[in-house]
Amino acid sequence: DAGVIQSPRHEVTEMGQEVTLRCKPISGHDYPFWYRQTMMRGLELLIYFNNNVPIDDSGMPEDRFSAKMPNASFSTLKIQPSEPRDSAVYFCASSLQGVKAFFGQGTRLTVV
Amino acid sequence: SQQGEEDPQALSIQEGENATMNCSYKTSINNLQWYRQNSGRGLVHLILIRSNEREKHSGRLRVTLDTSKKSSSLLITASRAADTASYFCATDPGNQFYFGTGTSLTVIP
Repeated sequence: DAGVIQSPRHEVTEMGQEVTLRCKPISGHDYPFWYRQTMMRGLELLIYFNNNVPIDDSGMPEDRFSAKMPNASFSTLKIQPSEPRDSAVYFCASSLQGVKAFFGQGTRLTVV
Repeated sequence: SQQGEEDPQALSIQEGENATMNCSYKTSINNLQWYRQNSGRGLVHLILIRSNEREKHSGRLRVTLDTSKKSSSLLITASRAADTASYFCATDPGNQFYFGTGTSLTVIP
C-alpha cells in the first residue's frame, strides 16, 4: 500500500496566484480529510468527505478555499487568490470508517 | 475550537528515561488516539484507547484515559534518541479527528 500521496511536496507562489494541492487517499478509505498546520494555530481540520461528499467544511477559513473530490481516489484543495497568511503545511489524510487517520507527507506552501 | 491541549509543550530528557505527556480535551469522544510526527513528515498513528477503557499498553507505550476529567496521558518508557518527535493526542467525536497542540519531545543520547 503506497499510503496517502500528496503533490506537490513544496509549492512557492506569488500572492494573488491560484494554488491547487492534490491528494490520493488510501484505496478503499471512505473518509478523506484536509488539514492545515502552522506554528500559531497547530493542526486545523479544514474539511472532510465521506464517499466523495463533503460532510463538514466549517474549518475552511475563507471563500478563497475550496475542496473537491471528483472520485474516490482523488481530491484537490484550491486557494484562489492566495495570500501570504496561507503559508503553511497542508496535509491530506484518510481513514476507513473513521477509526484512525493515515497522513500524507504534506505540501509545504509558501506564498510570497 | 475543538482542539485539545498537550502538556508540556516541550520536554527534554536523557536516553533511557521515561517521558510522560498529558492531553486535555473538550468534546465527548468515541476514542482517544495518540500520533507522532517527525520533523517535516506527516503524522503517524501510535495507539488508540476506547472511551470505555482506562489503560492500554503497546510495546513501550502506555496510555491512560480519564473521561470524567477529559484527560489522557502517554508514557514512553526507556526512551531512545529515535523517539525524538512531536506527539499529538486526537479526539474523534464523530468520524473526524481533532488534534491537540502537541508536545515536542527531545531525547538526548
